[in-house]
Amino acid sequence: QSALTQPPSASGSPGQSVTISCTGTSSDVGTYNFVSWYQQHPGKAPKLMIYDVSKRPSGVPDRFSGSKSGNTASLTVSGLQAEDEADYYCSSYGGSDNYVVFGGGTKLTVL
Amino acid sequence: QVQLQESGPGLVEPSGTLSLTCTVSGGSIINYFWSWFRQPPGKGLEWIGYIYYSGTTNYNPSLKSRVTISVDTSRNQFSLKLSSVTAADSAVYYCAKLGGTSRFDPWGQGTLVTVSS
Repeated sequence: QSALTQPPSASGSPGQSVTISCTGTSSDVGTYNFVSWYQQHPGKAPKLMIYDVSKRPSGVPDRFSGSKSGNTASLTVSGLQAEDEADYYCSSYGGSDNYVVFGGGTKLTVL
Repeated sequence: QVQLQESGPGLVEPSGTLSLTCTVSGGSIINYFWSWFRQPPGKGLEWIGYIYYSGTTNYNPSLKSRVTISVDTSRNQFSLKLSSVTAADSAVYYCAKLGGTSRFDPWGQGTLVTVSS
């Protein structure tokens, strides 16, 4: 399986909204609603922000939302705050061999 | 709440075997899947594999020939062995709980393993 494709960088000013894309294939993102998003600050472990395409774990602000269209999933961060500056990774389940694949990561900068 | 902690040698010699253990506290290892990941310095995340508490495993095809993940329910631990390591296997290794099909949460803090003589 191939890695999911994410833009290497994204940016926005405080209060703005930013959307990060994650493109897979019909073998993973396109078929299964099992996309998740992780936030990682430097030197820290990844933190789950979105799972099953659009569900938010308890404690994650509702400024974070997820969606999917075809083979592309998206993470939208609304009302950007300084603490949102981090790396974001998407991942998907791929059903044929029960594999898990990640995107290369997107560095989000809050200007 | 469940917490995970990785442990093991921080330095492994080339061609040797990397061995790490993840200890689960605050909850039982029973009835869940548990997973290993790694992240080379400055690079992205890579899924290594996962194991069900009963011992059923699934591995990343790119690592499958060198990886073994095992579980010890009596100790509430699961372990990773990666054989024939090279410098390319140097990375921060993380363990995490898999809830459902896409919910890796929580994660351990990670442990840096360097492959060098």
